[in-house]
Amino acid sequence: DSGVTQTPKHLITATGQRVTLRCSPRSGDLSVYWYQQSLDQGLQFLIQYYNGEERAKGNILERFSAQQFPDLHSELNLSSLELGDSALYFCASSAYGQSTGELFFGEGSRLTVL
Amino acid sequence: SQELEQSPQSLIVQEGKNLTINCTSSKTLYGLYWYKQKYGEGLIFLMMLQKGGEEKSHEKITAKLDEKKQQSSLHITASQPSHAGIYLCGADGNAGKSTFGDGTTLTVKP
Repeated sequence: DSGVTQTPKHLITATGQRVTLRCSPRSGDLSVYWYQQSLDQGLQFLIQYYNGEERAKGNILERFSAQQFPDLHSELNLSSLELGDSALYFCASSAYGQSTGELFFGEGSRLTVL
Repeated sequence: SQELEQSPQSLIVQEGKNLTINCTSSKTLYGLYWYKQKYGEGLIFLMMLQKGGEEKSHEKITAKLDEKKQQSSLHITASQPSHAGIYLCGADGNAGKSTFGDGTTLTVKP
């Protein structure tokens, strides 16, 4: 158990809809990272927050947004969903603002868009 | 942007055999890390390499970073079914944007 909790574990929705994925980092970790993993794209970095502030941005679509709350949990919002958004979305946390390499990953949220 | 290429893409070995997975970068690596993932589950950190020529071991898994810091290898000695999974190399990129390879799927036949 990594200590990182993601909900929901599975989500099935329709194109055009909006969903919110939630992540609770390990106790004491200030950084939260979001990744998207799909068969054709592999593991792609989306965005990182550190202590409530956006720290780094990767290949995150404009239809997607994220935030980190004062209690350090984070949410990833996906809107106007398309079939291609079907993927496994991972949250990871670390104690530091810059990646040290040792990230603690949650079990992921599997999104299926029909 | 930095790209990581892993080889082989998949590997099937008999239990007890040794194996090596490679990770090659298009740019100098300043932090290279290895993760293991079981299908559909989260990634588990294995080890991180930062210095040219550095080598680290954990149980029967050894990772090395070459002197030029553009290639890393992960070696498993006397493989066991518990080693099966997907191995991914990752690296720190510019402005905190981490990059991962596409992964190597390892199957260990008992």
